[in-house]
Amino acid sequence: KAGVTQTPRYLIKTRGQQVTLSCSPISGHRSVSWYQQTPGQGLQFLFEYFSETQRNKGNFPGRFSGRQFSNSRSEMNVSTLELGDSALYLCASTTSGGENEQFFGPGTRLTVL
Amino acid sequence: QQPVQSPQAVILREGEDAVINCSSSKALYSVHWYRQKHGEAPVFLMILLKGGEQKGHDKISASFNEKKQQSSLYLTASQLSYSGTYFCGTTTYFSGGYNKLIFGAGTRLAVHP
Repeated sequence: KAGVTQTPRYLIKTRGQQVTLSCSPISGHRSVSWYQQTPGQGLQFLFEYFSETQRNKGNFPGRFSGRQFSNSRSEMNVSTLELGDSALYLCASTTSGGENEQFFGPGTRLTVL
Repeated sequence: QQPVQSPQAVILREGEDAVINCSSSKALYSVHWYRQKHGEAPVFLMILLKGGEQKGHDKISASFNEKKQQSSLYLTASQLSYSGTYFCGTTTYFSGGYNKLIFGAGTRLAVHP
């Protein structure tokens, strides 16, 4: 079974630009969660999508948004990039419910200059 | 609120044992353990559920004390491959949904020959 895939793996942007990251979950998984990882703040929850609906949201500004498609693939968008948005963005997929394992993709390393 | 992990770092010789703890001030529904190696995505190790059910792989064990809202990860007869940063992620009854993992700051483990 193929794992979680994320594209692109690396991205360099400048302040003020916007970026879109993509995540394809494990086949059969309907829930996709996004996390931001930085050395200073650690792993922080951004949002979760299930059946094309945002089910949970973390404490990030509105510049961070996402969506999920009918095939469970998910995208997250960050508008008006700031230097502090430089991070590893991870998505994780699971079947449903916190009683199940979440499997992480390799992440997208975003650098904002 | 972020769970607290202890210790922050551990250095071991091959074959030695270690215990990593994760505690929360909130009632927990589940505790998820991950290991992350430098430059890689977190890898799922173990999930412990309220009520005692435990799911996991590998030769690593864990416990979940529901009364104290604490979980411990036991690494026995450590191997070089155990090196990495260990994270606990928790879900609570009040997280707004089960797939919102709140992670601890991590415990760095280094195993030397």
